[in-house]
Amino acid sequence: EIVLTQSPATLSLSPGERATLSCRASQSVSSYLAWYQQKPGQAPRLLIYDASNRATGIPARFSGSGSGTDFTLTISSLEPEDFAVYYCQQRSNWPITFGQGTRLQIK
Amino acid sequence: EVQLLESGGGLVQPGGSLRLSCAASGFTFSSYAMSWVRQAPGKGLEWVSTISGSGGSTYYADSVKGRSTISRDNSKNTLYLQMNSLRAEDTAVYYCAKVPLVFQGPEPDYWGQGTLVTVSS
Repeated sequence: EIVLTQSPATLSLSPGERATLSCRASQSVSSYLAWYQQKPGQAPRLLIYDASNRATGIPARFSGSGSGTDFTLTISSLEPEDFAVYYCQQRSNWPITFGQGTRLQIK
Repeated sequence: EVQLLESGGGLVQPGGSLRLSCAASGFTFSSYAMSWVRQAPGKGLEWVSTISGSGGSTYYADSVKGRSTISRDNSKNTLYLQMNSLRAEDTAVYYCAKVPLVFQGPEPDYWGQGTLVTVSS
């Protein structure tokens, strides 16, 4: 099983700041990594797929990078609605696995 | 408008059974493999099971293998998850979703709102 480790567990920033979230895989997942955003009481929403492709309707301030085992989600300038929990997910191998999440909270 | 509407959750005793359903509308259901993903209270996301578009292939997480059966009825646009021998650790919100898979691309992205399963005596 591929283990995805996200860091930091919690990130405290202010609106307008830049956020950098990390996801590290226990073995290569090539570029088959996605990022999700989840707000309280809501289902997850796909932000980035295959490491660097923005999903339909996702604002340009969200970007993804990386390949192999190290990936980054960057939010260039935080909006109030961006404070949420973010998960990475790999689809390179069965079982499909998710990271444990990074909570992005207002400082 | 795409909708995935889960039902069938509730309170069940340890060792009991539940059948979750997910009614899909607004897209060609049979074209996509569908999955169940769960989230224990205050915890992260865990993939549970996937079934191919035709229903001919199924995949399970080790945590539910042998206790759960995923199925679908494409004539009714409905996905199911039969869960048996339930344990306290199965307590979670269960989402019906089209998620990125080994053999299926990430878009479009569809998720239901989830149904809560609570296993407790």
